[in-house]
Order: sequence, then structure tokens, then C-alpha cells
Amino acid sequence: QVQLVQSGSELKKPGASVKVSCKASGYTFTSYAMNWVRQAPGQGLEWMGWINTNTGNPTYAQGFTGRFVFSLDTSVSTAYLQISSLKAEDTAVYYCARATTTVVTPEYPDWGQGTLVTVSS
Amino acid sequence: QSVLTQPPSASGTPGQRVTISCSGSSSNIGSNYVYWYQQLPGTAPKLLIYRNNQRPSGVPDRFSGSKSGTSASLAISGLRSEDEADYYCAAWDDSLSGLFGGGTKLTVL
Repeated sequence: QVQLVQSGSELKKPGASVKVSCKASGYTFTSYAMNWVRQAPGQGLEWMGWINTNTGNPTYAQGFTGRFVFSLDTSVSTAYLQISSLKAEDTAVYYCARATTTVVTPEYPDWGQGTLVTVSS
Repeated sequence: QSVLTQPPSASGTPGQRVTISCSGSSSNIGSNYVYWYQQLPGTAPKLLIYRNNQRPSGVPDRFSGSKSGTSASLAISGLRSEDEADYYCAAWDDSLSGLFGGGTKLTVL
């Protein structure tokens, strides 16, 4: 069965960087796009963008350009989200979510368990 | 402020039918499919409805989706206590962006 397993919670200081991993199993990694979704404490879901797992080409939603980087290591079926120059407002749970095609759609039948990133001095 | 507008809360008693609305525009709901997600407390979202009104295997037929123009609705019939959760609509926007609604917290009284 499809599984997306994310790395554990992170506590970082403002200005630091963090890299969240999402390891996929149970399907051909390069056949389906990977999306990233943010959920701030007590808030709703926010689409951050997606990465084409076939070409490695990332697309970022408005508000997630500059400090956010999506990347892949297809040899280990893993997608990464790196956030640099962390700010307190980056405190959130970050989810990876598998699409049903190689390109982006809002249809995500499989999600990681979420990674809590806390930014605090 | 989300581009897809949902009521912040909804409620019902066990056995009742509840509907949750999602309002958008011609560039998102009006021209693309709508999806619904259920998020139980402390867990990742779960796909409930895809392509306006299709249920993934395993989702009870108590859940149904519909779309008309630039609005969509999720209906839950035979409400159960385990349906208490946050519900989100989602759609693609022609500006090349994925969108989620602000979410609706469903309380089973």
C-alpha cells in the first residue's frame, strides 16, 4: 500500500534552516506529482506548490517563493522541503501529499503524517 | 481570507443531514473539479470526494458532493459522532494555483 513517511518534528531558531523529508513507498515514485501543504496552528490548509517527480521541476504558490525549495532524491523515493531564514510565522505542520497524475491536481489520496516545524528563540 | 469560502462552523444531531457549502468563482470552481477533505483532530486530511461527486473506495455513501456553477456542497446524511471533524473543499484555479477553502468545523451535538 502507498505510504508517505515524513521526518520528525523540528525546533529551530529564527534565521535557521530546516529540511523536511517525505519518503514514499508502495508505488512508482516518479509517476505521480508530489505536493506540499502547510497548516499553521489552529488554521486551515494552504497549498504551497508541487514538484514534478519525473522532471524535478518545482512550482511554488504565491507566498512560497524565495525561502522555500522543493527537491527530490529519486534513488530513495524521497521528496524534500527546505525552508531557509525561518521566521516565527513559519511555525506550522507541513504535509506532503501525492497527486494522482504526473502533473498537479488538487486530488490527494495519500498524505504524509505531517511534520511540525516550530520556530522560536 | 481564502478564495474558496466555507462557513466556519456547522452542526447537527446524530442521524440528521448536514450540508457544507463552498463558494468560489469562474476561475476555480466554475471551471474545474471540486474536492473535499475530512481532517479528524490531530491527523492528516483524508480525501472524501473527488471530481465533484465521486467517492474513493472506503468512503461511506453517507457522504456526497455536488457542484453548481461557482459553488459546491458536501452533504453528510445519517450523521454520526465520528463525523465530527474539519472539512475542506479544494479546487484548481486557472491562475495555476491550488486552492483550499478556509475549512468548516462540524460539531455533532
